[in-house]
Amino acid sequence: SQQGEEDPQALSIQEGENATMNCSYKTSINNLQWYRQNSGRGLVHLILIRSNEREKHSGRLRVTLDTSKKSSSLLITASRAADTASYFCATDLSNTGNQFYFGTGTSLTVIP
Amino acid sequence: DAGVTQSPTHLIKTRGQQVTLRCSPKSGHDTVSWYQQALGQGPQFIFQYYEEEERQRGNFPDRFSGHQFPNYSSELNVNALLLGDSALYLCASTLKAGAEQYFGPGTRLTVT
Repeated sequence: SQQGEEDPQALSIQEGENATMNCSYKTSINNLQWYRQNSGRGLVHLILIRSNEREKHSGRLRVTLDTSKKSSSLLITASRAADTASYFCATDLSNTGNQFYFGTGTSLTVIP
Repeated sequence: DAGVTQSPTHLIKTRGQQVTLRCSPKSGHDTVSWYQQALGQGPQFIFQYYEEEERQRGNFPDRFSGHQFPNYSSELNVNALLLGDSALYLCASTLKAGAEQYFGPGTRLTVT
């Protein structure tokens, strides 16, 4: 099974609302990254949080990391229709260098 | 500054055939990773190339092989294609281990 698992699998919200998605992983990590994918095309890097960090912000994005619970959350505030996409977390395992495991993703739909 | 490019965009092959996919990394990046993404799933790590050598490998059979050239571009070769090899193949480049990855738009491979 995949190292990272996102929850929920799908999320539908109204424009302007906040969207929260979660990621759980199984083993210790160097860092955790969040990516966005539109319409089955290439992934776009959103934010990277290292294992010694607890929270990180980038514009309307807020990511938290709880290594004791092996979980992370991505919050998108004041959502827009353009945020409609699939969101994936990817974990860089501690002992395997630059090998990333992706979860199954959360499909976010923002209704105008 | 050109991002990661992949060719071709789409490809249709017959079961048993061989295919070669190509990737040029983002300018300045020397590490290339390949991923397979089945419909509705997250990307699965195939392997990573650095300094023209395979540095990491995921859980994929030997039918999947690759190459990296001195200019850091890379190829993914798949032999004896199976119907299950139908997927979006993504190439990603990075500047250093553990850093964010930059993805290409992918190659959609259909095996009939």
